[in-house]
Amino acid sequence: DAKTTQPPSMDCAEGRAANLPCNHSTISGNEYVYWYRQIHSQGPQYIIHGLKNNETNEMASLIITEDRKSSTLILPHATLRDTAVYYCIVSALSNFGNEKLTFGTGTRLTIIP
Amino acid sequence: GAVVSQHPSRVICKSGTSVKIECRSLDFQATTMFWYRQFPKQSLMLMATSNEGSKATYEQGVEKDKFLINHASLTLSTLTVTSAHPEDSSFYICSAVKTGYNTIYFGEGSWLTVV
Repeated sequence: DAKTTQPPSMDCAEGRAANLPCNHSTISGNEYVYWYRQIHSQGPQYIIHGLKNNETNEMASLIITEDRKSSTLILPHATLRDTAVYYCIVSALSNFGNEKLTFGTGTRLTIIP
Repeated sequence: GAVVSQHPSRVICKSGTSVKIECRSLDFQATTMFWYRQFPKQSLMLMATSNEGSKATYEQGVEKDKFLINHASLTLSTLTVTSAHPEDSSFYICSAVKTGYNTIYFGEGSWLTVV
C-alpha cells in the first residue's frame, strides 16, 4: 500500500512556480522521499530524492519538513512540458536494492498557458 | 544520468502465444530490477522484483507461471508473458536500481496488445 497522500490534481500557470505537496506521516527514519513524474504513455522519470535535508537539482527542489512527515516538490518555472502525473514515494532503498517503490495515485499537474 | 531501455516498445500478439519484453540498464549495473504493469488511467502496479542470479519475487496476485521473469545478467532482465490473453494487454514498465546511488530508473515502457 502507498504510504503517501497527494492531491489528485493541480493547475499552475506557465512560468510560475509549481508547488506539489505530499504527506507521509508514517515515514520511517531510514526511508527516503522520492519524486517521479510520468508523462502520458512514457515510463516514470526520476526527479529528485532526499532523506531529511532539502535538495535541489537542475529539475526541481525538494523541501522536507523537520519532522519529515510532509514534503513539497517545487518546479521553479513551470513550462507546458511539465504537465504530467507526479508521484511522491517513500522507500528505504538500500545499496542492495532490497526495498521497492510502490506508487500511489499521484498528482496530475496541468500547466496552463 | 542512468538509462534503462526496454524492447520492444510496442508489440501485438495473438491470444495463446507468448511474448518476451527485454529490459536493459545501458550504462550501469543493476543487481535488482522491478517489473510494473499499468492499465489506462491507473497508477503503476508492481508485479515482481527481479534479482540477478536468483528467482524473482512476485507480488500477491501475480501468477509466476504466467509472467516469467529472468535476470541472467547485471544489465538484462526479461519478462515473458505466456499464453497471452486480451486482458493481459497493458503497459509494462521495468526499472533498475542503480547500485550505490539509492535511486531507481525506469524504462520507456512496452505496450502489449493481445488480439
